[in-house]
Amino acid sequence: ILNVEQSPQSLHVQEGDSTNFTCSFPSSNFYALHWYRWETAKSPEALFVMTLNGDEKKKGRISATLNTKEGYSYLYIKGSQPEDSATYLCALHNYGQNFVFGPGTRLSVLP
Amino acid sequence: SQTIHQWPATLVQPVGSPLSLECTVEGTSNPNLYWYRQAAGRGLQLLFYSVGIGQISSEVPQNLSASRPQDRQFILSSKKLLLSDSGFYLCACKGQGSSYEQYFGPGTRLTVT
Repeated sequence: ILNVEQSPQSLHVQEGDSTNFTCSFPSSNFYALHWYRWETAKSPEALFVMTLNGDEKKKGRISATLNTKEGYSYLYIKGSQPEDSATYLCALHNYGQNFVFGPGTRLSVLP
Repeated sequence: SQTIHQWPATLVQPVGSPLSLECTVEGTSNPNLYWYRQAAGRGLQLLFYSVGIGQISSEVPQNLSASRPQDRQFILSSKKLLLSDSGFYLCACKGQGSSYEQYFGPGTRLTVT
């Protein structure tokens, strides 16, 4: 069973700080890696889908990279804003079409 | 772009009662469909997924079941609810292919009393 880990579990930063967190996995044998932004009582919002080693994706102040050889993906947020506060989920999409989610990183951006 | 509908938005049911949650998708055809649950204080857990009509894969053994009677309809059911079935249930949809994003519905908050 593929195990997806995320670190840190939670993170507090000041408004304007840049931050990053990690998704790690033991195997490169998966279809794609997904990042989501999840606010309490709402549905997860898709951020990025990455499939290839070395992939880099960017959306506004948020970007992500994928290293399948060493088994990790980084999510970066530049100039954090209070509205960035949420839980960020990483998920692996397996060849069997199921998804395995990590436990998430809870980000709080303090004004 | 696809739209995912889930109903009801909230539900309070007694232990032992049946359950039926419905999810329908618009704007896409032949999607992969998923049911997830978030229990209190826990992460997102995949319950079932379907790659086509009548094709259901179960990820976690439990007293829930799923059915896909039509291409864009996914139903989560139970004959007798347990207290541990309480949680936030999300339906998700994804196009075929590795590069497609997975989109989530608005969710159903189920409380079993």
